This record gives sequence, C-alpha cells and structure tokens, in this order.
Amino acid sequence: DTAVSQTPKYLVTQMGNDKSIKCEQNLGHDTMYWYKQDSKKFLKIMFSYNNKELIINETVPNRFSPKSPDKAHLNLHINSLELGDSAVYFCASSQYTGGPQFFGPGTRLTVL
Amino acid sequence: QQQVKQSPQSLIVQKGGISIINCAYENTAFDYFPWYQQFPGKGPALLIAIRPDVSEKKEGRFTISFNKSAKQFSLHIMDSQPGDSATYFCAASRGGGSEKLVFGKGTKLTVNP
Repeated sequence: DTAVSQTPKYLVTQMGNDKSIKCEQNLGHDTMYWYKQDSKKFLKIMFSYNNKELIINETVPNRFSPKSPDKAHLNLHINSLELGDSAVYFCASSQYTGGPQFFGPGTRLTVL
Repeated sequence: QQQVKQSPQSLIVQKGGISIINCAYENTAFDYFPWYQQFPGKGPALLIAIRPDVSEKKEGRFTISFNKSAKQFSLHIMDSQPGDSATYFCAASRGGGSEKLVFGKGTKLTVNP
C-alpha cells in the first residue's frame, strides 16, 4: 500500500543516454515534487507541480523535463545524461502546496 | 549561499542520552521549519515541524526549540534509542511552507546501545 512510489529503484546507464523516472502517489494529493540528493546527501528541490501545473522550476538544466499527465503522476525525463547527474532522485507529494511532504523511496541513478 | 546551516555533521550518543541538532537560517522571511528523518536507502520522512509563532513544539521524545531573534532552531531527541540512528535534516521555507523547502546538509546520528 505504497503512498508514493517510484520506478525504477535503480538505474544504471551510459553517458549520453536518455532515461525516465516515474512517480505515482495514491494519497489524492494535489502537489508533487522532484528532489535531487547528491553523494553528500544534500537535498535540493528541482520541480514542483500543483494540479498538473508547474509552480517551482529551480535552475535545473533543460535536459531535465518533468511531465505530469495527471495529478497522481509526475515523471522525470532526462536527456543526454552526464556523469554529474548521478544521484538519488526523490519524488514527493503534499495534499496542498505548503502541506507536509511525503517522500517516495528514491531512484538511484548511476551514469557511467 | 547556504541558507540553512546545520550542525553537527555527525553525532554519536549513548542509548538513553539526549541528541541535539542545531540549525541556523539567514532569511527572516522563512516561516515554516520542518525536520526530516532519513534511514539508509529510504526517502526522508517528516518528523516534526514548527512555525515561528511558538518557541517550542514537542511530539513524544522529539522537541523543536525555536529562537526567532537568533534565527536558530534545534531538534532535541530525548531518551535516544538505537532505532533513532538515521540522518536528520532541518529545512525552512517561506509562505507558510508554500514555497520551496531549503534543506540543511544533514546530521548523521548514531545511537550506541
């Protein structure tokens, strides 16, 4: 009965490839987020969507493109992967913007 | 510019002791201060949060102390247990939490049995 789920859990790929990470929440929340946690465990927000509309877009390279087909899903597509993209990516959701955020289990991306 | 400074980076406490983690912020517009707990291989989980209209909030063994004039807040874990061993993150945001969360760099807590 996972509240916020992500697939895949692990992703190993070569530089230059394009990959996607999927996120789904079954909490009925309106707001979803993508975070990046680097090797030093520093957490930084990348994007936030409220009811399928982009509300936060940090200074992330435009190789990263979030897509929200409906308010229960927020996917992250990454083009032309670089070594520096290696990190753990977390999806999160909240009932409303500003509400307590519930995080998914993370996707560990390794770019070789 | 690091907007939320967290210390210490790591902390070792004996079972039954008090764990104290401190955070300082720069932006006086911040008005929502949550703490997150993260176990290895898991996502962060909201532990407790405070808004600046109160100086302290307690939930079970976890207490947040907030000092608005000093722009500091801290997490106290009373009667620390080995199961509390995790990484703890403080965070802050504006707009009552409606704007982005800015995280501290985390504190790895180890509670020895």
